[in-house]
Amino acid sequence: DTAVSQTPKYLVTQMGNDKSIKCEQNLGHDTMYWYKQDSKKFLKIMFSYNNKELIINETVPNRFSPKSPDKAHLNLHINSLELGDSAVYFCASSQASTKSYGYTFGSGTRLTVV
Amino acid sequence: QKEVEQDPGPLSVPEGAIVSLNCTYSNSAFQYFMWYRQYSRKGPELLMYTYSSGNKEDGRFTAQVDKSSKYISLFIRDSQPSDSATYLCAMSPINQLIWGAGTKLIIKP
Repeated sequence: DTAVSQTPKYLVTQMGNDKSIKCEQNLGHDTMYWYKQDSKKFLKIMFSYNNKELIINETVPNRFSPKSPDKAHLNLHINSLELGDSAVYFCASSQASTKSYGYTFGSGTRLTVV
Repeated sequence: QKEVEQDPGPLSVPEGAIVSLNCTYSNSAFQYFMWYRQYSRKGPELLMYTYSSGNKEDGRFTAQVDKSSKYISLFIRDSQPSDSATYLCAMSPINQLIWGAGTKLIIKP
């Protein structure tokens, strides 16, 4: 059973389009995250949700909008895609209430904007 | 200056060698220190987790934290080609992970 699953794995789209990435975790964790990893492998936090509530919102363009319908799901919607949005986007989850920093990551969504 | 510095490599060593991977940091409030391993086209996975200073051993892997020097290390003994991956350090004061850039490790058979 996949613990953190993201869809789609690959996404190729044109500039200006709107796209969504979905994430689901079946670990019972209370916190979920979206990370962006650039070509140099640097992981940058974008958003963090705890029990459906936004707790971290780093400086990202407001074209990026996360949505958490329940604590097992965290989706990412991106409007008006730009070339610089090309990266791998990772969803992760953790049990923050136990102060465990054992984040579990999904396999990533490789976004290419052309 | 970044809060966490990590040499991106690549670091290439022969099979069986002892590997040393390192990170330095500037924030003395960091208390939790982690090493994650990331294979190509996969998400990072937690390898080692240490609270405060000291050593922790798990099989061929040893994590060391020296808070006085603001320096953490991951040692891999008897390295295997399957250890080839990117190793990311991460650390936290309380509620948010701060990541290193990752070191790409290549173990040559």
